[in-house]
Amino acid sequence: GQNIDQPTEMTATEGAIVQINCTYQTSGFNGLFWYQQHAGEAPTFLSYNVLDGLEEKGRFSSFLSRSKGYSYLLLKELQMKDSASYLCAVRERDYKLSFGAGTTVTVRA
Amino acid sequence: NAGVTQTPKFRVLKTGQSMTLLCAQDMNHEYMYWYRQDPGMGLRLIHYSVGEGTTAKGEVPDGYNVSRLKKQNFLLGLESAAPSQTSVYFCASATGNQPQHFGDGTRLSIL
Repeated sequence: GQNIDQPTEMTATEGAIVQINCTYQTSGFNGLFWYQQHAGEAPTFLSYNVLDGLEEKGRFSSFLSRSKGYSYLLLKELQMKDSASYLCAVRERDYKLSFGAGTTVTVRA
Repeated sequence: NAGVTQTPKFRVLKTGQSMTLLCAQDMNHEYMYWYRQDPGMGLRLIHYSVGEGTTAKGEVPDGYNVSRLKKQNFLLGLESAAPSQTSVYFCASATGNQPQHFGDGTRLSIL
């Protein structure tokens, strides 16, 4: 199984940068995903890392270090619509996903 | 493009009643999953399927059964509902190494 930890809540100002950390322990790593979930809605895919390093997608970037069991999601130029829960999920070799409890990000004007 | 469709969207049950949640996907995905999401606990895997006719237990399978008779459908059954099964249920599907696509969820309350 997996043990996935991420902070419960974070608050930032519009236009700022926020970094959400995720640490994990796994018996069979096959990729790490970040999802965004607005209140009352379904999770939507943001980014995927399977090799070490940084993946950049517009205002969002995700980093992975497999040796440290560590990832982060970086949100730049924060907008009010970025207020949501961000879920870190680790995939095992049998294609199951294990999710962290999620980090609620609140963007203030 | 429908993607992943869950029915019903809302349901209220009495303790001991049974019901089936339906998940349908039109993307020809091999893998399908049922999760429940409770406050402060994130998404927890109930059961999953890696292909038509196959199912496997996830993290919290007790009290639930599933079937995947057709590739596009994955059914989640509650034989005797309990208040502890009040939750939001999400279905997801995926293919290969691609990310999972989620349905809009079913909000289930058991009184």
